[in-house]
Amino acid sequence: DVKVTQSSRYLVKRTGEKVFLECVQDMDHENMFWYRQDPGLGLRLIYFSYDVKMKEKGDIPEGYSVSREKKERFSLILESASTNQTSMYLCASRETGGREKLFFGSGTQLSVL
Amino acid sequence: SQQGEEDPQALSIQEGENATMNCSYKTSINNLQWYRQNSGRGLVHLILIRSNEREKHSGRLRVTLDTSKKSSSLLITASRAADTASYFCATWASYGKLTFGQGTILTVHP
Repeated sequence: DVKVTQSSRYLVKRTGEKVFLECVQDMDHENMFWYRQDPGLGLRLIYFSYDVKMKEKGDIPEGYSVSREKKERFSLILESASTNQTSMYLCASRETGGREKLFFGSGTQLSVL
Repeated sequence: SQQGEEDPQALSIQEGENATMNCSYKTSINNLQWYRQNSGRGLVHLILIRSNEREKHSGRLRVTLDTSKKSSSLLITASRAADTASYFCATWASYGKLTFGQGTILTVHP
């Protein structure tokens, strides 16, 4: 089975801190995604990556950056965390070869105080 | 804006009853997917229906697609308490972007 692992289940950070959210997949998938999920707003795409060192902005990239140095790892970076970035963050990867479904990690619930 | 919108926002039923959730979308699609999310967890892919299909079954799941109305429905038959979760439809709105609706929260009472 495909496994997408997010490094932290719960995270508490202070305003202004630099925050790294890590995601690793074990199936050699080329495409990886970061979403945030908020009540009443559903899932919103932050960034995605087609392959190593490639990245594309999603619908809400402001305040975030990403890094994809290795195929299996896709990191989401909050350069200076703010309270409005308190959210559930979900990482996903996509089957290679144009297949359509995503595999999700368990999510990281980030609280910025 | 979300490509897919689910209806109803919340659904509460008894075990054994059927649950129907609807999804509407705005642009042309190649396929539509349904995902499930247990409380506080990641999403799990349930089923994909292609634009040239009208109906698809998987176990107790039945999905329909009406491209003329830009809508889909997910039917869960003989619901169980373990089906309690949020259900999302999703479409590839543009290259590389899988867009989700806001979801339907299903509660199945034992």
